[in-house]
Formats: sequence, structure tokens, C-alpha cells
Amino acid sequence: QKEVEQNSGPLSVPEGAIASLNCTYSDRGSQSFFWYRQYSGKSPELIMSIYSNGDKEDGRFTAQLNKASQYVSLLIRDSQPSDSATYLCAVTPPDLYNTDKLIFGTGTRLQVFP
Amino acid sequence: GAVVSQHPSRVICKSGTSVKIECRSLDFQATTMFWYRQFPKQSLMLMATSNEGSKATYEQGVEKDKFLINHASLTLSTLTVTSAHPEDSSFYICSASDRYTDTQYFGPGTRLTVL
Repeated sequence: QKEVEQNSGPLSVPEGAIASLNCTYSDRGSQSFFWYRQYSGKSPELIMSIYSNGDKEDGRFTAQLNKASQYVSLLIRDSQPSDSATYLCAVTPPDLYNTDKLIFGTGTRLQVFP
Repeated sequence: GAVVSQHPSRVICKSGTSVKIECRSLDFQATTMFWYRQFPKQSLMLMATSNEGSKATYEQGVEKDKFLINHASLTLSTLTVTSAHPEDSSFYICSASDRYTDTQYFGPGTRLTVL
């Protein structure tokens, strides 16, 4: 089982719709959770971080964390064509020697069509 | 926001040469920096973790004698690809971890092409 799993997509949504991106992780002791956006040929850009159960909203983005289900999601409201990118879920596993290390999922490619 | 720079952004070199890539955190101190490699249409693969003032920790399967990492200060880490070969051609990305928030910020990446 992969440590961090994401559906590779592509996830296609019409402009203005809500895009829902999902991620599951295997290590129950994971502490920190991040969503990064990566445009083709570019490096990842931090979108959201979430550390405790529940929802965290930032503009059009909402991250949701459920540690009991080992599940983290990202909702993008009013999706725009410029949101088309690969979205990477990243998790900090419990690691006594390196708490900053991130484990990345393979990413979900989002396509927003006009 | 936190800014991480990388230099060069793109490099083309001949097989057998060595290439050095610099990673700098511009507006925060990073006790830990990370080096990733990404092949086309694949996810990020962590190569090594670089801690200021100590030896880097390499992931399994990454040759430490081939990928030399130096983290001389809280704002600078370098990756040297020694005796590069065409199979080393890839997108190399560094990230720096803000010591106060544990958040990783990525540099813009270096695209290496070995002829």
C-alpha cells in the first residue's frame, strides 16, 4: 500500500463548479498535511496546510481533514481554467529524526474547461 | 511569503561533467532543506535531506557519492551531480523548511539535460 494515495485523474470539471480532490494516507500517526499545486514544467506551490480535524478555508480553497478515516481533501469553489494543474497531497509522517520530511502522493490532474 | 531561489534554472552539459545547483531561502532561515527529482509525468521523489552543519541523509537508492550535498549555512544548500550521464537528466527541485512553521517551500527547479 502506498503511503499517500491520490487518484491520478484527470478530474474534469466545468468552469464555476466545485472541484473535489481526495487523498488517503496509511500512517495513522501522521501529523501535518499539505496541498500543493504544480503547473506543468514548474515546481510545486503551497496551497493549503492543515493540522487538525475539520475544515480550513482560504479564499476559494477548503481543506478537510479526517484523521480517523485517514483522509484529507481539497475543495476548490468556483473553479477557473487557471486552476488546471496537478494537485499534490503531502503528509508529514511520524519520524523521530526528521519531522519536516514530506511524503507526496502522485498527484491528481485537474482540468477546468470553459 | 517565503521565497526559495534556485540557480541555475536550466543547464545543459556533456556526459561526464559535474553540475552544481544552488538553493537559497531568501527571507527565512531553513535548518532543513530537501532535494527532489522529478521525471516527466511522475511525482516528486525525495533524494536527500540536508541539515545545516551536518551530513545529508540520503533516501534509499540514491548514491551519495554521485549527488553531493552541502548545507553550509541556514540559507544555502548545494547539490552537485558528479560525472553526470544522460539518465541523470531530470527536473531537480529543492525545498526549504521554515524552522518555525515546519512548512516546506519549493524553489523554481533546475532542469538538467545531459547530452
